[in-house]
Parts: sequence; structure tokens; C-alpha cells
Amino acid sequence: GAGVSQSPSNKVTEKGKDVELRCDPISGHTALYWYRQSLGQGLEFLIYFQGNSAPDKSGLPSDRFSAERTGGSVSTLTIQRTQQEDSAVYLCASSSRGRTSAQSSYNEQFFGPGTRLTVL
Amino acid sequence: TQLLEQSPQFLSIQEGENLTVYCNSSSVFSSLQWYRQEPGEGPVLLVTVVTGGEVKKLKRLTFQFGDARKDSSLHITAAQPGDTGLYLCAGEYNAGNNRKLIWGLGTSLAVNP
Repeated sequence: GAGVSQSPSNKVTEKGKDVELRCDPISGHTALYWYRQSLGQGLEFLIYFQGNSAPDKSGLPSDRFSAERTGGSVSTLTIQRTQQEDSAVYLCASSSRGRTSAQSSYNEQFFGPGTRLTVL
Repeated sequence: TQLLEQSPQFLSIQEGENLTVYCNSSSVFSSLQWYRQEPGEGPVLLVTVVTGGEVKKLKRLTFQFGDARKDSSLHITAAQPGDTGLYLCAGEYNAGNNRKLIWGLGTSLAVNP
């Protein structure tokens, strides 16, 4: 079956421009996560969607960052007025077991290939 | 604040050598996951350990969860160039109704032929 897909794979933009990054999760996965990763480093949590609940936005670094998830499936991460420090790989992951009430297994996440954002 | 310390951060070894990567925390986790990430790709789950003291093996990789479920190790025997990549550990905990992960900073492994 299809995995998590992200688009575009690469995005080069000028400082001050807005960008939109897209994530298509695995069908049926209720949980969706956005992370940011600097070169060779670990994952920085940005935002988490679980079903119809209000998203956990606790990781967003500033109010220039926002995300939405339409119809419980596709998600878009928007960065307004981009800055050079926003340059990174943005990773999306989905999971079928984000709830503690899930009957089995654990919150194992499936990642997309990421979008490499470069702000000039 | 939950913290998950991963060490070493960088490791460069020769083919055939053994190595161990550690993840440590003062927090108890319901599970501990290990992922590997190759350049240009997202992390891929290798294994999940859930029981204190649990040991899982995946070919030449051995994963162990500490008895208190606060720490974990990944041991690679006779490393191969194909093992090169970024290894990430992630500890799972419950936050209200949601299961969340806290991530280590990763171990960048280079296995030289």
C-alpha cells in the first residue's frame, strides 16, 4: 500500500515569502505529526493532529508557522514570511495508534521522505 | 520536562567492528522505539520494545529495554557499510488521552569499508 507522501520534495524560496508544504498520510491513520530536522540532527516536534481533536501546537516555533488538516487526511504546513533559520527538512509522519484507548500496539510512526526547504 | 539523552552523537568505525548506542532518561516510557534514517529519506521504524528487560534481535542488531523502562541500547555486531545512517530512539508516554513520543537527538553512524 501507499506510504506517507510529501510535496514538494525540495523548495527554494526567498526570505520573506510564504511557503506551503503538503503531507498525505497513510489512509486510515488518525494521527499526523509534523517535525523539523536540521542537517544530520534529531527531530524537532512541531504540531500533532489526532482525529477531530484540537491539534497540539506546542512545538510551533513562532506564529509564522501554522498547519491544518482537512477532512482528517491531508495536512498543509504553512510558513509565513520565511526566514533563513527556517531552512531545514520538514518531515511528516502518521500513526494509527495515537490514542491511549487504541486496542493494541503503540504509537509507531510512519514517515514521509520530507521536504527540504531552503530560504535564501 | 521529558528528556531522552542519546549517545554517542557521532560514531565512525571500520567494517566488522561492534558498537553500542545508548538512550537514557529519568522518565518511564510505555515503549521505546528505534528508527534508522538514511540521507534524503524519513526515519524507518526498526523495532519497538515494551517490557522492562526485553531483548529483541534483528539480524546483527540487538535492542534492549532497561528493567525500569527508562533506558535502552542498540548493539550492532560486525557492522557493515550498509548500517551507515542516523539512528534515532523515541520514548513513548501518555499525555492525557494521547500517546506522544519524545525523541533522542540521534547517533550518526558511519561504517567504513
